[in-house]
Amino acid sequence: EAGVTQFPSHSVIEKGQTVTLRCDPISGHDNLYWYRRVMGKEIKFLLHFVKESKQDESGMPNNRFLAERTGGTYSTLKVQPAELEDSGVYFCASSRGRQETQYFGPGTRLLVL
Amino acid sequence: AQKITQTQPGMFVQEKEAVTLDCTYDTSDPSYGLFWYKQPSSGEMIFLIYQGSYDQQNATEGRYSLNFQKARKSANLVISASQLGDSAMYFCAMRGFNTGTASKLTFGTGTRLQVTL
Repeated sequence: EAGVTQFPSHSVIEKGQTVTLRCDPISGHDNLYWYRRVMGKEIKFLLHFVKESKQDESGMPNNRFLAERTGGTYSTLKVQPAELEDSGVYFCASSRGRQETQYFGPGTRLLVL
Repeated sequence: AQKITQTQPGMFVQEKEAVTLDCTYDTSDPSYGLFWYKQPSSGEMIFLIYQGSYDQQNATEGRYSLNFQKARKSANLVISASQLGDSAMYFCAMRGFNTGTASKLTFGTGTRLQVTL
């Protein structure tokens, strides 16, 4: 069974540009989560999808971040326009049930210059 | 609100020795789950072990065991017979089971473990 995959693995962009991160969850996992770790800080929750619906987006930092999960399969996280403080590692995780173990992808390392 | 505290930014252990990574937590949820994840230098987050707050016994998974002391609000990870491949960052995390907190994991800052020969 394939694990959670994320693309790209690394992204370097300039301030003001747009970046779109993609996450493919484990097949059959209805629950998909985004987290991020900004340099030197804890891994923080961003949002949670159940199928294509946003269940909890309380961790989204501001309206420059837009997450989608059309069709309830893969998800994208768009940052537009990117700011310096958006640099960090963005993790995606998925779980079969809401209260089941979350399995993480390898992360996307985003650097905004 | 939930909080995880990992007070050891870095730890060293000799190969084949046991090591304990500390984790304390704080939550107002009456039921919750505690997790440990491993992040090797390659970057992926690997799930290691889970402990439910109402589980009667401490969780074990191979060389990993979780020393759960509910009254002390601690959930320390014990790795027995350390191997060089155990060198990694280790994160403690928790999730409450109330509706408002059931989805998100709260993480600590991590402990970097280095296994030496």
